[in-house]
Amino acid sequence: AQSVSQHNHHVILSEAASLELGCNYSYGGTVNLFWYVQYPGQHLQLLLKYFSGDPLVKGIKGFEAEFIKSKFSFNLRKPSVQWSDTAEYFCAVIFSGGTSYGKLTFGQGTILTVHP
Amino acid sequence: NAGVTQTPKFQVLKTGQSMTLQCAQDMNHEYMSWYRQDPGMGLRLIHYSVGAGITDQGEVPNGYNVSRSTTEDFPLRLLSAAPSQTSVYFCASRSGGYLQPQHFGDGTRLSIL
Repeated sequence: AQSVSQHNHHVILSEAASLELGCNYSYGGTVNLFWYVQYPGQHLQLLLKYFSGDPLVKGIKGFEAEFIKSKFSFNLRKPSVQWSDTAEYFCAVIFSGGTSYGKLTFGQGTILTVHP
Repeated sequence: NAGVTQTPKFQVLKTGQSMTLQCAQDMNHEYMSWYRQDPGMGLRLIHYSVGAGITDQGEVPNGYNVSRSTTEDFPLRLLSAAPSQTSVYFCASRSGGYLQPQHFGDGTRLSIL
């Protein structure tokens, strides 16, 4: 079955540090990729998405992600994090086939804590 | 716009009790879904609906029922609550095809004692 993996469960950074959160998926076909963010006590919000075209996608709040098809990855990056980026980040994938076809499949989530 | 509204925000139940988690959206979205969020497991799809009168099972449907009598509402029922159903539940909706972004509600935090 298709799956989405986020290998970092909890990342702790200081303000101004650079961020990279990993996301890998298991599926050889076409995928559509998303990163969602959940601030403490709030619902999930869409950060960015990739469907096709330029594999480097820019989202809100200075975040970007790069789709590397050969590595089945869609890592999230930010050059300089702020305390307000403290949140949980979810990678999600829509697979074009298989048992999860058309459904949004989430990774386990990565908690980011940014210290002032 | 209210978007996706979930009630209640918090609930404590005893094992064996039943309850319904409410979800309503005012965006005329065809697709609605329920997820549960557990630490270290991300969000897992419980049930979903592609339109009024149509529902289907997701990844973890056991112990939950849904119905979709109107476009706006998509309630989730726990018939006999179990401690394993302690979780945070999110309802989501989207319009049109599956590439459209989902809109999430604020969640219901449910504890089963």
